[in-house]
Amino acid sequence: GNSVTQMEGPVTLSEEAFLTINCTYTATGYPSLFWYVQYPGEGLQLLLKATKADDKGSNKGFEATYRKETTSFHLEKGSVQVSDSAVYFCALLPRGGYQKVTFGIGTKLQVIP
Amino acid sequence: DSGVTQTPKHLITATGQRVTLRCSPRSGDLSVYWYQQSLDQGLQFLIQYYNGEERAKGNILERFSAQQFPDLHSELNLSSLELGDSALYFCASSDRSRTDTQYFGPGTRLTVL
Repeated sequence: GNSVTQMEGPVTLSEEAFLTINCTYTATGYPSLFWYVQYPGEGLQLLLKATKADDKGSNKGFEATYRKETTSFHLEKGSVQVSDSAVYFCALLPRGGYQKVTFGIGTKLQVIP
Repeated sequence: DSGVTQTPKHLITATGQRVTLRCSPRSGDLSVYWYQQSLDQGLQFLIQYYNGEERAKGNILERFSAQQFPDLHSELNLSSLELGDSALYFCASSDRSRTDTQYFGPGTRLTVL
């Protein structure tokens, strides 16, 4: 079946540090890939997505590139802010069929001033 | 604000009881999805409805059921509650059956004592 593997958290960084959260996936075919963010006390928000190999999703300074050869979709940001503190979920949606999104376990990011 | 509303925000009940969680999708969205988020299982897809019909089923227990009404709001019914059902339950919506972008509500936190 489909699965998403995400690095365990929590990740603690100082403000302006570089962020990488690793995500690898297992799926048949070529799924769409997503990063969602969950701020404390809120629901999930779509952060960025990529729908085919070599696509780069980007939003709010975050980036992730769909790497088919390594089945990865790592999230990066060059300079994190305190306001980026949240839980980040990697997810995949199989191509075709219906909407059974598979999520990773989530990585909690804490950015300290 | 995603435009998806969920009520109640918090629910505390006892084992063996039955509860109903309610979700109103974004205006114009026809698909509604239910997810369960717990510490040990992570975020899991439960079920999807599209325009009143069940479209996809995930890891939903037989004690749980859902429906989508003609006005497109949805209800998730949880019965014979167990301690392990304590979790955050999220609803999401999208405009079509196969779109890849889902908008999440703020969730209902269920505590079973």
